[in-house]
Amino acid sequence: EVQLVQSGAEVKKPGESLKISCKASGYSFTSYWIGWVRQMPGKGLEWMGIIYPGDSDTRFSPSFQGQVTMSADKSINTAYLQWTSLKASDTAVYYCARRAITVAGTSPFDYWGQGALVTVSS
Amino acid sequence: DVQMTQSPSTLSASIGDRVTITCRASRTISTWLAWYQQKPGKAPKLLIYKASTLESGVPSRFSGSGSGTEFTLTISSLQPDDFATYYCQQYNGYPYTFGQGTKLESK
Repeated sequence: EVQLVQSGAEVKKPGESLKISCKASGYSFTSYWIGWVRQMPGKGLEWMGIIYPGDSDTRFSPSFQGQVTMSADKSINTAYLQWTSLKASDTAVYYCARRAITVAGTSPFDYWGQGALVTVSS
Repeated sequence: DVQMTQSPSTLSASIGDRVTITCRASRTISTWLAWYQQKPGKAPKLLIYKASTLESGVPSRFSGSGSGTEFTLTISSLQPDDFATYYCQQYNGYPYTFGQGTKLESK
């Protein structure tokens, strides 16, 4: 069974750093892209970026380029999203999701993590 | 970036109604469009991909159509479990942008 299990809720102060995780199981971790999606309180979904754990190739939305870092550790089937200096505006739920494999080479997200709430407040 | 615009933003409907949500892309995306359903406090769920292909396990009352820049999601006979927010997403090119969402509520 494919599962993406995310780390728990975090409460941080502005300026602090944070790394949240997404542990994959039930499939070949290095063969599928993992994406990250932000959902601010009461708002819609925002596509942040995507990483291919096989070679750590990453693609970012221009809105998030330089604001966060994505990484993956193949040895423990885990993807990460990281901030070096959080802002109050980073308060949101962050989802990881697996990009499906298709012959066409492009695809939507077929499996999602449960989400991780990040609260940034002084 | 490709901008995705959904309409309406909110839709009030009753059990048994036929419901249609529209999604427009700012430039052509062929049929590289997905629809997701999200319930409060839960992760989105993939319903339809490639504009009209039903994801495994999704009820057949859901259907999708369209190509190019205009797409629709139709629920043929609304069921209680269908009240949720629906998002379209283009995956023709990075970044894979989402529409702003359509909240389907009970009339």
